[in-house]
Amino acid sequence: EAGVAQSPRYKIIEKRQSVAFWCNPISGHATLYWYQQILGQGPKLLIQFQNNGVVDDSQLPKDRFSAERLKGVDSTLKIQPAKLEDSAVYLCASSLEAETGGIGELFFGEGSRLTVL
Amino acid sequence: KQEVTQIPAALSVPEGENLVLNCSFTDSAIYNLQWFRQDPGKGLTSLLLIQSSQREQTSGRLNASLDKSSGRSTLYIAASQPGDSATYLCAVASSWGKLQFGAGTQVVVTP
Repeated sequence: EAGVAQSPRYKIIEKRQSVAFWCNPISGHATLYWYQQILGQGPKLLIQFQNNGVVDDSQLPKDRFSAERLKGVDSTLKIQPAKLEDSAVYLCASSLEAETGGIGELFFGEGSRLTVL
Repeated sequence: KQEVTQIPAALSVPEGENLVLNCSFTDSAIYNLQWFRQDPGKGLTSLLLIQSSQREQTSGRLNASLDKSSGRSTLYIAASQPGDSATYLCAVASSWGKLQFGAGTQVVVTP
């Protein structure tokens, strides 16, 4: 079974430039998550999709970050314009919908490491 | 708001010793708790998932316990090996679909 695919693995940009990350979840997984992980910290949820609807984007800096999940499969996370503090690893995860709500087991991609200079 | 704490932040043990990793959380109304492993430069790999109705979960050398009343979970790794060196994170899921991660415990197993 193929895992969660992410690209690019690494990206270096200047501040105020834009960047986009792509994620392809495990086939059949309805729920897709984007997390930001800063060095030495646990992942922080940016946005959660259920199929192609947004479930939670309360911690997404909407003035610069945007995400979409067209057709309920692939997703793209965009940052425009980037700031120095956006340097982090951006992790995509997917899960089956839990039978009784809540969250099922999460499967993560390898992540996309962003460095903003 | 759920807060998840993992202490210690780092741990070094000699090969063969058992590992005990702690995770504490402030709100006992949880849906499940998951333990993950993260190798440097990699994503997270799910190790064990414990439902709120369970007390423990086992997989090979790994055993995770859950005590909701005291807000604690413990991950035991028996007979540690150098390949167990990694960062271990716990994540607590609430009943309404929020997942909160701890900062992780970085483990080094020395040969």
